[in-house]
Amino acid sequence: GAVVSQHPSWVICKSGTSVKIECRSLDFQATTMFWYRQFPKQSLMLMATSNEGSKATYEQGVEKDKFLINHASLTLSTLTVTSAHPEDSSFYICSAPGTGIFMVDYTFGSGTRLTVV
Amino acid sequence: AQSVTQLDSQVPVFEEAPVELRCNYSSSVSVYLFWYVQYPNQGLQLLLKYLSGSTLVESINGFEAEFNKSQTSFHLRKPSVHISDTAEYFCAVSDSNTGFQKLVFGTGTRLLVSP
Repeated sequence: GAVVSQHPSWVICKSGTSVKIECRSLDFQATTMFWYRQFPKQSLMLMATSNEGSKATYEQGVEKDKFLINHASLTLSTLTVTSAHPEDSSFYICSAPGTGIFMVDYTFGSGTRLTVV
Repeated sequence: AQSVTQLDSQVPVFEEAPVELRCNYSSSVSVYLFWYVQYPNQGLQLLLKYLSGSTLVESINGFEAEFNKSQTSFHLRKPSVHISDTAEYFCAVSDSNTGFQKLVFGTGTRLLVSP
């Protein structure tokens, strides 16, 4: 089946630095990638939708200058957390829509746990 | 816009007992419904989904869910749980119009199975 490889699985960074998270679709082309954020013991909240070849669409309240999303190719989407602060510590998960007729077989990456110290 | 309510944040149950995880949704348009399972520090895995047709859908590991349009519910059930079913379960909904549609998740229910 479809696989989305997400790296790194965990990262610890100092406050003020930037962190890049990569999501690669391994055996299919992902023209769209959804980026979610999950706080401890809470649900997933959609941050933004990236589309290959165009600008990402951000959800209300998400700072696009802080969370830079790039969809460089049909198999790679990246999320860069710029000037990270402790409140950015969270679990970040990417997801790509499926290629079936209903396009609802979403494939999720394994997640990245970001800790900002 | 859609919303999902999972009233139970945690459900403790003994091994081999039946369980029901509740999910209610709100939407002004037709929807697709999903149940996902998440193990600690991992991404989400699809458990089952309702797109159309039979309102009762089943997973390969014994879970089932029934779409009830009148009650706007999609409760998840399993007649006999195992220790390995301990995980976080998320109900999700998406607009059934064509094209890529974002998933809206409930707050999750932690299923705790004890021996």
